[in-house]
Formats: sequence, structure tokens, C-alpha cells
Amino acid sequence: NAGVTQTPKFRILKIGQSMTLQCTQDMNHNYMYWYRQDPGMGLKLIYYSVGAGITDKGEVPNGYNVSRSTTEDFPLRLELAAPSQTSVYFCASSYAGQAGYGYTFGSGTRLTVV
Amino acid sequence: DQQVKQNSPSLSVQEGRISILNCDYTNSMFDYFLWYKKYPAEGPTFLISISSIKDKNEDGRFTVFLNKSAKHLSLHIVPSQPGDSAVYFCAASLYGGSQGNLIFGKGTKLSVKP
Repeated sequence: NAGVTQTPKFRILKIGQSMTLQCTQDMNHNYMYWYRQDPGMGLKLIYYSVGAGITDKGEVPNGYNVSRSTTEDFPLRLELAAPSQTSVYFCASSYAGQAGYGYTFGSGTRLTVV
Repeated sequence: DQQVKQNSPSLSVQEGRISILNCDYTNSMFDYFLWYKKYPAEGPTFLISISSIKDKNEDGRFTVFLNKSAKHLSLHIVPSQPGDSAVYFCAASLYGGSQGNLIFGKGTKLSVKP
């Protein structure tokens, strides 16, 4: 059982470049999330989705875009990368937004923008 | 404005003793509180949660206590083991997490010494 799979694990981008962080889950969870974690900080929500075709902004959405065409996939798009987007990105999923049961997180993508 | 605060960046305890990790919050509308454990280069792993209508939840060596009047919760690990060494995040949800509202503290790094 793979759970939540994120690719790539590491990436270095130059300022102004674009990239897509991939996230796939095989648990048939309807809710999916993207968080970022800056050094010494907690996780901050970028975007989330409650089902295929439905996405919404979180606390720090600027500079990012998402789409949700299938239940399994929730890619995060960075357009015009900036040094402020240097962070570790985590994708997570849950069933029906039931926070009490916890979210399942991927292992993260460490992104450096230079 | 931090709604979930973990004021101790680190904690060191001896193997076999009790570890107590603390968390304070400001929003009285939070309905679930969760603890996550994170090892380096891995995603956070859900540990235990508690509903705001309860004051204690126990799962094996892990117990979470909630004091709503003080807006404070704590995680007790008894007995502590070296494998418990990790960063522990406190998180809180609004509306059961149905709108992606899982808010994280900055984390406390626990070191359990043999």
C-alpha cells in the first residue's frame, strides 16, 4: 500500500522557472492538501481539494496553482519561481475531511530556488 | 498571529521516563486537536487526536490531555523510548477539517537519551 506518493523528492530551480510537484494517493481519499514547511516553522496550507474538480485556497496560495482532475492526483504548479518559495512541500490526503482521524502525508519535496 | 503555539522548541528526556509536550491555542472554536510525529526526511505521521468535547484520550504509551478553560493540551509519552526521538507537531482543526482548516504549531524536537 503506497499511501501518498510525491515526486520529485528534491529539486533546484532557478528564479523565474516553473515546475509541477506531483502527488498521488491510492487510498481513495476524497480530500487532498498541499502544505509547505519553512525552517523552524509549522506547516502552512497552500491549497486543498474536497474532490475531483473542486479546489480552494489555503493560507498561502500566492504563486501556486492546483488542479484535481482525478481522485488520485493533486499536482501543485509553481509559476515563475521565487526564492521565497524555497521550502519543503508536503502533500496529504484524508477521508471526508475527518480531521480526528488524521491526514496521511507524503514524504515531501525539498525545493530550492536560486 | 499564531493560533497554535508550541513554546518549547526542544525537549530532552531519559529513556524510560515521561515526556510531556505542551501546546497552547487561542481559538475556542477548534473542534479537534491532533499530534503528529515527524522524522527527518519523512512526512508527518498522525499519532493521536482528541475531540474538543473530551479531556483525555489514550493510545498505548501516548495520552493527550485537553484543558479547554486554559486553552492548553499536552501529549504524555510513558515510558519514553529512543525511537520516540522526533519532532512533534500539535495541530488543531475547525469544522472537523472539512475546509482544510488544520493549523499546525511550529513543533517541538524531542530527544530521548538511552
